[in-house]
Amino acid sequence: QKEVEQDPGPLSVPEGAIVSLNCTYSNSAFQYFMWYRQYSRKGPELLMYTYSSGNKEDGRFTAQVDKSSKYISLFIRDSQPSDSATYLCAMSGANSGYALNFGKGTSLLVTP
Amino acid sequence: GAVVSQHPSWVICKSGTSVKIECRSLDFQATTMFWYRQFPKQSLMLMATSNEGSKATYEQGVEKDKFLINHASLTLSTLTVTSAHPEDSSFYICSAATGTRGETQYFGPGTRLLVL
Repeated sequence: QKEVEQDPGPLSVPEGAIVSLNCTYSNSAFQYFMWYRQYSRKGPELLMYTYSSGNKEDGRFTAQVDKSSKYISLFIRDSQPSDSATYLCAMSGANSGYALNFGKGTSLLVTP
Repeated sequence: GAVVSQHPSWVICKSGTSVKIECRSLDFQATTMFWYRQFPKQSLMLMATSNEGSKATYEQGVEKDKFLINHASLTLSTLTVTSAHPEDSSFYICSAATGTRGETQYFGPGTRLLVL
């Protein structure tokens, strides 16, 4: 079993929809949780960063971490065609030297 | 803030030649930089962890003599692919770590390598 599981999709939604992206993980030592957005042929861009459990909101993006369930989510409100990209969850902890453990990435397409 | 650059953005080379890729953190100092490769439609695979002033730590299965990493300063790390072969063609991405424990990584734009 991989340490981080993420459904690769693809996920297709109409413009304006609320998007929910999720990852599960098995390593209870993970403390830092991140969401990256990657456009084709580009490097990943850090979207959200959360330490431990809880919610974090930034504009149209909300990240949730539930450490008891080992489950993290990213919500995108009022989705736009420009949100079409691959979204990667990543997490790290002290026991792995803070090296990132990535999910496979979910491909999102927002149609006009 | 937190901008990471890579150079070159793409390179085409003949089999057997060596290619050097630079990774720079432009507006912060990074004691740790990471090198990844990514194949089409796949996630990032960590190749090595590079700490300033010390030898890089390579992931299992990554040949350290083939992928030479030098982290000469707090803002620059280089990856040299020696004697490149077509199977080394890939998208190479670096990241630079920041935060109190280096727990947040910012990625460069990537370098696309094609070996003919």
